[in-house]
Amino acid sequence: GQQVMQIPQYQHVQEGEDFTTYCNSSTTLSNIQWYKQRPGGHPVFLIQLVKSGEVKKQKRLTFQFGEAKKNSSLHITATQTTDVGTYFCADPNAGGTSYGKLTFGQGTILTVHP
Amino acid sequence: EADIYQTPRYLVIGTGKKITLECSQTMGHDKMYWYQQDPGMELHLIHYSYGVNSTEKGDLSSESTVSRIRTEHFPLTLESARPSHTSQYLCASSEWAGGGSYNEQFFGPGTRLTVL
Repeated sequence: GQQVMQIPQYQHVQEGEDFTTYCNSSTTLSNIQWYKQRPGGHPVFLIQLVKSGEVKKQKRLTFQFGEAKKNSSLHITATQTTDVGTYFCADPNAGGTSYGKLTFGQGTILTVHP
Repeated sequence: EADIYQTPRYLVIGTGKKITLECSQTMGHDKMYWYQQDPGMELHLIHYSYGVNSTEKGDLSSESTVSRIRTEHFPLTLESARPSHTSQYLCASSEWAGGGSYNEQFFGPGTRLTVL
């Protein structure tokens, strides 16, 4: 089935450095969602991108959807220790249905050293 | 804050036992899901439901079963637990969205299952 590939698997940064995780699909995505999972916690929805080339910002987080809707990225400016966790992209059109089943990327585990 | 609950939060049980993981939501969402997640790994969909009396198997094969008799309740059952079932099980729910769009999923806190 359709897979969403996410890189890198791990990212260690010093507090204040920037961070980026990338999500790639071999097929065109209708939408893409991003979730954050704190250590020991559950995924929490961050944002959904719908339009080709879309860019959305949430404070220090910037989300982009590629022009071809086959890739997406999440960029965090000036990381803080509260940014620690695993960031997942997810395709809500898994299997080409309209049922909202999520196919998750492998996730990027972010650690921030103070 | 989403109102979706899972019990128990932690469960350690012996091989061969029957277990039921509970999931309830008070948001009136029609769609509910069960995911399995091993430590440090991605989530895999094992079951989903679009409403009462609707259940489907997900992308990852699972020996568990589910039921959806009430909108708010989506329990998962393992008839005979085995060590290979050791994992975290996450329940989620969402609203229907129209026009080819998709709504966010709200996740419960999860059940960490250990089968000895």
